[in-house]
Amino acid sequence: GQSLEQPSEVTAVEGAIVQINCTYQTSGFYGLSWYQQHDGGAPTFLSYNALDGLEETGRFSSFLSRSDSYGYLLLQELQMKDSASYFCALKEDSSYKLIFGSGTRLLVRP
Amino acid sequence: SQTIHQWPATLVQPVGSPLSLECTVEGTSNPNLYWYRQAAGRGLQLLFYSVGIGQISSEVPQNLSASRPQDRQFILSSKKLLLSDSGFYLCAWRHNGETQYFGPGTRLLVL
Repeated sequence: GQSLEQPSEVTAVEGAIVQINCTYQTSGFYGLSWYQQHDGGAPTFLSYNALDGLEETGRFSSFLSRSDSYGYLLLQELQMKDSASYFCALKEDSSYKLIFGSGTRLLVRP
Repeated sequence: SQTIHQWPATLVQPVGSPLSLECTVEGTSNPNLYWYRQAAGRGLQLLFYSVGIGQISSEVPQNLSASRPQDRQFILSSKKLLLSDSGFYLCAWRHNGETQYFGPGTRLLVL
């Protein structure tokens, strides 16, 4: 089967940098996505990594190491509005189905 | 532009009653459609997946069923709700690329 592990909660200060880790176990791997979800809202797509390395989109970056079955989401210049839950999601075959992790709740403090 | 609608936004139903949640997508054709359930403070569990009209893949054995009567319509149903069916139900679509776009969700409470 497959599984993903993320820390349940992370706290950081406004303006700082925070890294949210995701480790996975799977028999097949196509890619790793990241989604953001504010309380009561719908998840929104942040990034997708299929190959090793760093993908940068503004203040957010996502990293993947397939040999380590590991990825992370890096958030820079944290803002209060970044307080939300962040989910990594595994694509393990060509079917475009995703398996979501349990999520990391990020709290940004002033 | 594409939009996705879900209704109702919230629903309170007694145990044993039927359920019908509707999801429609506008502005795209032949999308992949998904139903997820999210328990409070938890991740998203994929329930059903559809690549076309009448084509439904069930991911988890359960008390629910799904149908896709039209290209851009996806319906989640139950004949008799259980307490464990409570949760936040999210519909999503995908057309090209890796991104799934989620609807606003339906919050279901079974009492």
